[in-house]
Amino acid sequence: GAVVSQHPSRVICKSGTSVKIECRSLDFQATTMFWYRQFPKQSLMLMATSNEGSKATYEQGVEKDKFLINHASLTLSTLTVASAHPEDSSFYICSASTQETQYFGPGTRLLVL
Amino acid sequence: AQSVTQLGSHVSVSEGALVLLRCNYSSSVPPYLFWYVQYPNQGLQLLLKYTSAATLVKGINGFEAEFKKSETSFHLTKPSAHMSDAAEYFCAVSKDTGRRALTFGSGTRLQVQP
Repeated sequence: GAVVSQHPSRVICKSGTSVKIECRSLDFQATTMFWYRQFPKQSLMLMATSNEGSKATYEQGVEKDKFLINHASLTLSTLTVASAHPEDSSFYICSASTQETQYFGPGTRLLVL
Repeated sequence: AQSVTQLGSHVSVSEGALVLLRCNYSSSVPPYLFWYVQYPNQGLQLLLKYTSAATLVKGINGFEAEFKKSETSFHLTKPSAHMSDAAEYFCAVSKDTGRRALTFGSGTRLQVQP
């Protein structure tokens, strides 16, 4: 089956630093990737939709200058949390889509101290 | 706009008992519906999906769900719970099979008692 990886799986950083999270589709090409955010004991909330070669589309309330998304190829999308603060601590999950299904990565847990 | 309501944030069943997780949706267009399972500190795994073919959808691990348009429901069932089924379950709706973002319900945590 289709596999999506995320790296790193867990990151702890100091407030003010930037963190990059990679999302890769390992055995298929994904024209569209999605980034979701999940707070503890809550559901997933869509942050942005990322299409290869074009600018990401952000959901209302998501700061595009803080959550920088780059979809450089059909197998790689990156999310950079710029100048992270403790309130950005969360579980970030990406998904990559084929025509039929979205496949989710294992998630990245970000803790900002 | 689309939305999903999962009734019951926590469901507890005994091992071997029927599992029923409820999901109701709202959609202005014919919906595509999904059930995902999430184990602690992990991503989501697709259990099954409804894409306007058969209304009774069979998924992995013995789960199935029935699309009922008249009731706007897509409840998830399993005849006999196993300890390994303990996890968080999310119902989701989309306007397309894979090319559109998913709107998730709030999730239901399933506990399986020995």
